[in-house]
Amino acid sequence: DAGITQSPRHKVTETGTPVTLRCHQTENHRYMYWYRQDPGHGLRLIHYSYGVKDTDKGEVSDGYSVSRSKTEDFLLTLESATSSQTSVYFCAIISGPGSYEQYFGPGTRLTVT
Amino acid sequence: GENVEQHPSTLSVQEGDSAVIKCTYSDSASNYFPWYKQELGKRPQLIIDIRSNVGEKKDQRIAVTLNKTAKHFSLHITETQPEDSAVYFCAALYNTNAGKSTFGDGTTLTVKP
Repeated sequence: DAGITQSPRHKVTETGTPVTLRCHQTENHRYMYWYRQDPGHGLRLIHYSYGVKDTDKGEVSDGYSVSRSKTEDFLLTLESATSSQTSVYFCAIISGPGSYEQYFGPGTRLTVT
Repeated sequence: GENVEQHPSTLSVQEGDSAVIKCTYSDSASNYFPWYKQELGKRPQLIIDIRSNVGEKKDQRIAVTLNKTAKHFSLHITETQPEDSAVYFCAALYNTNAGKSTFGDGTTLTVKP
């Protein structure tokens, strides 16, 4: 499992509230990614990080922000949650230099009511 | 950006038969093509991958073929078993520096005993 954990695993929140999801890895991987998964849409990249304090947008970044203040943690924040952000969120890493293999965390199921 | 199309969206086969899932990509610069298997409620897991300098790769009952000229790649599963039932995703890596991939929308494979 490449030492990836996500928290919380499940969350229900109300529209308009801020939400932060955490991805934690123990193997010093440089690259980390946040995806969302919705029925019929596969996995879509939200944001990614290529080092501490180095982040960039993916294809569906509107309404999301990220932070990476230390190598092991990559945080995804929904500043003001909307029902369209109800989804399953996966964190991922790339296993090492010269490798493109992605390994995913267990996922967080977020419901915005 | 990269666009990946995956077909079919659902596939049902009899145990012991072969299954083939096809993907096309748009960016000729893409050079890494992984396949993931996702069981219900679980994280996606890498099952096989191929790089652009290789035409075919095999691992036991699973094989992947790549046609760079036509920009398509396929997953072949032989002697299917009920435990092969899952959602399968293809992806294309289009940004080597950042490890950014685009995923297909997935194929739900059902293997009937």
